[in-house]
Amino acid sequence: AQKITQTQPGMFVQEKEAVTLDCTYDTSDPSYGLFWYKQPSSGEMIFLIYQGSYDQQNATEGRYSLNFQKARKSANLVISASQLGDSAMYFCAMRERYNQAGTALIFGKGTTLSVSS
Amino acid sequence: DSGVTQTPKHLITATGQRVTLRCSPRSGDLSVYWYQQSLDQGLQFLIQYYNGEERAKGNILERFSAQQFPDLHSELNLSSLELGDSALYFCASSASGGGARETQYFGPGTRLLVL
Repeated sequence: AQKITQTQPGMFVQEKEAVTLDCTYDTSDPSYGLFWYKQPSSGEMIFLIYQGSYDQQNATEGRYSLNFQKARKSANLVISASQLGDSAMYFCAMRERYNQAGTALIFGKGTTLSVSS
Repeated sequence: DSGVTQTPKHLITATGQRVTLRCSPRSGDLSVYWYQQSLDQGLQFLIQYYNGEERAKGNILERFSAQQFPDLHSELNLSSLELGDSALYFCASSASGGGARETQYFGPGTRLLVL
């Protein structure tokens, strides 16, 4: 079975600094996708960034980038120039297949990021 | 704003009752997914519908059921509610059946409190 592990329950960073949130995964599927979502205190889940297993380059979206190390099965999220609004829970997720046609996301337990001024 | 809408935002009910949560996917999306987020279980997948048909079933209790209508909106029905059903219920949608690169966009969630 596939598995997502986020080992950092909480991370603290100062404004304008960069921070790395760790994510490791386990899958036997050669084709897979990894996602990061942000959940602020208001509760909604916001899609941040995606990395495909066959992508040649690490994904980037604005201040978000993914440090994808396939051999190590890790997909760490890097947030550059942290802002107070980045304070939230961050979830790493992977697409999991169900039967022949079904699919869903499995999530890690999340990391709470706190940004201070 | 993801484009996925969920109603109601909050729901308070009593044990033994039945509730219905509603979700409208993003315009053009054919798949709808339901997830449950609780403190002890984290985020768990419940069920996926694609163009009206059930595609995948996760950790969904027998007391829970869902359907997707011809206009593609979906409803999650929770019956014989227990205290442990208190959670944040998310609906997500994606463009098609959920390929490897396909992103799921989440609604704002329905916060259910069972007293």
